[in-house]
Amino acid sequence: GENVEQHPSTLSVQEGDSAVIKCTYSDSASNYFPWYKQELGKGPQLIIDIRSNVGEKKDQRIAVTLNKTAKHFSLHITETQPEDSAVYFCAASEAGGTSYGKLTFGQGTILTVHP
Amino acid sequence: NAGVMQNPRHLVRRRGQEARLRCSPMKGHSHVYWYRQLPEEGLKFMVYLQKENIIDESGMPKERFSAEFPKEGPSILRIQQVVRGDSAAYFCASSRESGTGRISGNTIYFGEGSWLTVV
Repeated sequence: GENVEQHPSTLSVQEGDSAVIKCTYSDSASNYFPWYKQELGKGPQLIIDIRSNVGEKKDQRIAVTLNKTAKHFSLHITETQPEDSAVYFCAASEAGGTSYGKLTFGQGTILTVHP
Repeated sequence: NAGVMQNPRHLVRRRGQEARLRCSPMKGHSHVYWYRQLPEEGLKFMVYLQKENIIDESGMPKERFSAEFPKEGPSILRIQQVVRGDSAAYFCASSRESGTGRISGNTIYFGEGSWLTVV
C-alpha cells in the first residue's frame, strides 16, 4: 500500500517568513495530493491540492509543487501570519476514473508562526 | 468542510458500552469515508461506503467496529463494547461521484469530527 512520509514534524518561523513542508510517497499509482490544515479541536480543512498532470499550483500565499519522478511534493506558505499556526497534513491517493479517493496521510507538521 | 455534518461532537462512554457516530455528507456527495485520529497522530483510513454498499473496509478493526450508509439517513459508525484504546477523534469525509476515464472530482471534504472518550 501507499506510504507517505512528512517532514519536518515541527516548524517554527517568524511572522512574514516562508514555511516549507515536504512529503514523499511510495506508490507510483498515486495521482492526487491534497494538503489539509487542522486547528485544535477541528476537522481537517482542505487548503490546496494538486493532481499529477501539473507540476505546480498556487493560491495566493500558498503553493504546492509536485515531482512525480522523485515521488515528492511540497507545500510553500509565504508571508506567514500567526493565524497560519496549525497542524498541516499532506496526503496521497489514486483518484479519478473508476478508482476512488482513499487518502493516505503523512504524520503532520506543527507550524508555529511567532508574531 | 462545514457541509459534512457529524454528531455527536463529543461522546463519553464507559468501557463495554456502545458508541454510535453519525455523518451526513455534503449535499450532492454519494461517497462517505471514515477516518480515525489517535492522539497526536495522523488520520488513518477506516472504511469507504456508498449508499447501501461497503466498498472498502480494509482499515476497520475486524471486531467490534461496523459501518453503514443506508438508502435514507446518515452514515453510522458503530463501535461495540468500547475499550480505552478506542478513544480518538473520528472524522467523516465525503466526495462526489468521480468521472470515468479522467482525473476529476474526488476532492474530499471532512467534517468537524466526533471525539470519543472511553472511561
